[in-house]
Amino acid sequence: DTAVSQTPKYLVTQMGNDKSIKCEQNLGHDTMYWYKQDSKKFLKIMFSYNNKELIINETVPNRFSPKSPDKAHLNLHINSLELGDSAVYFCASSQDGRYSNYGYTFGSGTRLTVV
Amino acid sequence: TQLLEQSPQFLSIQEGENLTVYCNSSSVFSSLQWYRQEPGEGPVLLVTVVTGGEVKKLKRLTFQFGDARKDSSLHITAAQPGDTGLYLCAGVPSNDYKLSFGAGTTVTVRA
Repeated sequence: DTAVSQTPKYLVTQMGNDKSIKCEQNLGHDTMYWYKQDSKKFLKIMFSYNNKELIINETVPNRFSPKSPDKAHLNLHINSLELGDSAVYFCASSQDGRYSNYGYTFGSGTRLTVV
Repeated sequence: TQLLEQSPQFLSIQEGENLTVYCNSSSVFSSLQWYRQEPGEGPVLLVTVVTGGEVKKLKRLTFQFGDARKDSSLHITAAQPGDTGLYLCAGVPSNDYKLSFGAGTTVTVRA
């Protein structure tokens, strides 16, 4: 199946821990993104990579670090997790690089709960 | 403040009724997109509109892009329970390349 797949689906962890979320797309898209969806369902962009180059780096605590080993993979590492990091994190990809007119394909999300 | 304002925030209607969701901004967009998100899943792209005044139809869903490319609407005719979900508009401002989302409209269609 062609898709954007992210793991894990659920992540429950204690404050202060470090965790990673992985994302892979087999659509041949050049650009990948991380979005955070809060409890009010608002989606906010965090990072974007175009062919392994970081092109969007929004105002996000530096405890969050994206890594793109190749254009099909984009991982998100979070250090020293805090209660406020609890949210659903979505990975997405698009085919048209820096211009988003063709729409995004989203993964099914990772629900992160920090206790 | 959000770039895109969606209204209403919640909409609950009976099966067979029509509904309209609005997406407004003071900014000009090179394109606007509509997504539907179901619980436990990611948003799924429904349509992209790029030309001012453009109207696109997808079965019972009609999407319109304002003439000035600052607003859009989604109209559903004869809604069905399967139309239930969170509808999100998203746009790329003309002077930017980042896709920004509205806060969403939760639509519930009762059988």
